[in-house]
Amino acid sequence: EAAVTQSPRNKVTVTGGNVTLSCRQTNSHNYMYWYRQDTGHGLRLIHYSYGAGNLQIGDVPDGYKATRTTQEDFFLLLELASPSQTSLYFCASSDWGVYEQYFGPGTRLTVL
Amino acid sequence: QQKVQQSPESLTVSEGAMASLNCTFSDGTSNNFRWYRQHSAKGLEVLVSIFSDGEKEEGRFTAHLNRANLHVSLHIREPQPSDSAVYLCAPYMGYKLTFGTGTSLLVDP
Repeated sequence: EAAVTQSPRNKVTVTGGNVTLSCRQTNSHNYMYWYRQDTGHGLRLIHYSYGAGNLQIGDVPDGYKATRTTQEDFFLLLELASPSQTSLYFCASSDWGVYEQYFGPGTRLTVL
Repeated sequence: QQKVQQSPESLTVSEGAMASLNCTFSDGTSNNFRWYRQHSAKGLEVLVSIFSDGEKEEGRFTAHLNRANLHVSLHIREPQPSDSAVYLCAPYMGYKLTFGTGTSLLVDP
């Protein structure tokens, strides 16, 4: 089974702070995804990537940047964090042509 | 864009009674659906994958898909307190998953 890890698992920052969430997958999957989960909204796609150096915009991208530095690593950047970005963030990966997504354990971010 | 709604928002059942959860979607061209379980804002666990109209059983979990009616359901046989969790429906459109808002299930012992 694919292994997807996220760090940190919990993060507290202040409004205007700079935050980077990290995701690593060890099964050489092509696709990686960042989601946020909020009460009443389910999981919503922020950004995704189909390979190192590639970035695609998801459904709720405002206020977020992302970067895929290697096949394994995908980062989500909040450069000016706001309280509205307090959420549970999930990373996932999947292989080309195989649409099963494997999810990481999540990162809980609180912006005060 | 695919839109997904789940009902009920919350459900309480007694241990051993059948639990039935519903999911409607807007785009019937999807033929790849997932039901996930999530305990207390933790990670997602895949329960059932269903790819065609009809029924798919995985242990105590059975999904029914009817794309003409834009509906997929999940039935949990003999639910246990450990099944208390949020259940998420998610159709694939190509590579992309779209999630419903979830049903919160509580199983009373």
